[in-house]
Amino acid sequence: DAGVTQSPTHLIKTRGQQVTLRCSPKSGHDTVSWYQQALGQGPQFIFQYYEEEERQRGNFPDRFSGHQFPNYSSELNVNALLLGDSALYLCASSGGHRGSPYEQYFGPGTRLTVT
Amino acid sequence: GIQVEQSPPDLILQEGANSTLRCNFSDSVNNLQWFHQNPWGQLINLFYIPSGTKQNGRLSATTVATERYSLLYISSSQTTDSGVYFCAVEFGAGSYQLTFGKGTKLSVIP
Repeated sequence: DAGVTQSPTHLIKTRGQQVTLRCSPKSGHDTVSWYQQALGQGPQFIFQYYEEEERQRGNFPDRFSGHQFPNYSSELNVNALLLGDSALYLCASSGGHRGSPYEQYFGPGTRLTVT
Repeated sequence: GIQVEQSPPDLILQEGANSTLRCNFSDSVNNLQWFHQNPWGQLINLFYIPSGTKQNGRLSATTVATERYSLLYISSSQTTDSGVYFCAVEFGAGSYQLTFGKGTKLSVIP
């Protein structure tokens, strides 16, 4: 049973650039959420995708955008990168018809460094 | 506002000791999860426990939803238990986001 996978594992970008992070959900899940975790903090909710639409959004600017594909995988895009965007980006999946639909499972994360 | 508070923020234990981590939350919940974040950043699911009591080996958890708190018990701690423990809550109807506490950093020393 494949867990949540994310790519790439590490990324270094320059201020002003754009970045795309990718996530494949756990087998059987249809919902993907994205979180940002700054050093020493708990993860902060960015948004959630369900049925290829953004279902809920946290307090993040519209430089942060996403997409969900028909196979339930998802992308997180960040435009006009700022130094403050440096963080661990975590993808979580949930939903489906087995177990609890609310329980979220996290991928290993993508560590983004903006210089 | 909506809050999740964890205590203590830091905890140092001798190997073999027991501990209790607490999570207080400010509103009714759909979902409450406990995670262990390892040094590489991976969040490992420990419990999905919006109410009641569960046990898994040396770990157990209890959530008293009416009093808005949850407890995570670690017995006979091992060095591999070290890391940060997060409580995360999904509040109320129509909310799908997990709100995380600031975590408890646990260090187990041999």
